[in-house]
Amino acid sequence: EDQVTQSPEALRLQEGESSSLNCSYTVSGLRGLFWYRQDPGKGPEFLFTLYSAGEEKEKERLKATLTKKESFLHITAPKPEDSATYLCAVQGRSSNTGKLIFGQGTTLQVKP
Amino acid sequence: NAGVTQTPKFQVLKTGQSMTLQCAQDMNHNSMYWYRQDPGMGLRLIYYSASEGTTDKGEVPNGYNVSRLNKREFSLRLESAAPSQTSVYFCASSPQGATDTQYFGPGTRLTVL
Repeated sequence: EDQVTQSPEALRLQEGESSSLNCSYTVSGLRGLFWYRQDPGKGPEFLFTLYSAGEEKEKERLKATLTKKESFLHITAPKPEDSATYLCAVQGRSSNTGKLIFGQGTTLQVKP
Repeated sequence: NAGVTQTPKFQVLKTGQSMTLQCAQDMNHNSMYWYRQDPGMGLRLIYYSASEGTTDKGEVPNGYNVSRLNKREFSLRLESAAPSQTSVYFCASSPQGATDTQYFGPGTRLTVL
């Protein structure tokens, strides 16, 4: 069964304190791994798609990496506006529906 | 370019009442999806439509029906609402289908009393 586990559940950082969020997954053939940001009361906002181990993508202070078993979202010198819940999702090759399997998310709080 | 829009934003129903959640996208996407988000459960797929004129069940379809009205619009109907359907509902769309990134709407927060 396809499964996604994110850790930690919650993370508090001081502004400028870099850290990483983890997304461990089991899937029968990875089609794609997706990172989303979700602000309270809003819909998930797309950040990155990773397709194969070794792939990396960056956007401002965020960098996503992928191995065969997990993905990391590295946050460099975060700012208070980076506070949000970050969701990881996978899509397996067995799915012909586009179905995404989501993790529970990591809620990040960055204090000034 | 509004992206994915959903109406209403909030709704309170009594058990047994019916309602339809509306979703529209202006990105000319072929595929559309309905998810529900519950605390501790993450986002789960209810129904999806790979293209205009087709719909299929997702992970948690019981108690719901959908209609792909045209390429832009995909509605979700609760025929007889139950308290277990209290949730936040998100519509999403993707350009081609199974391998594409999905873009989400702002959500509908539904409470069933």
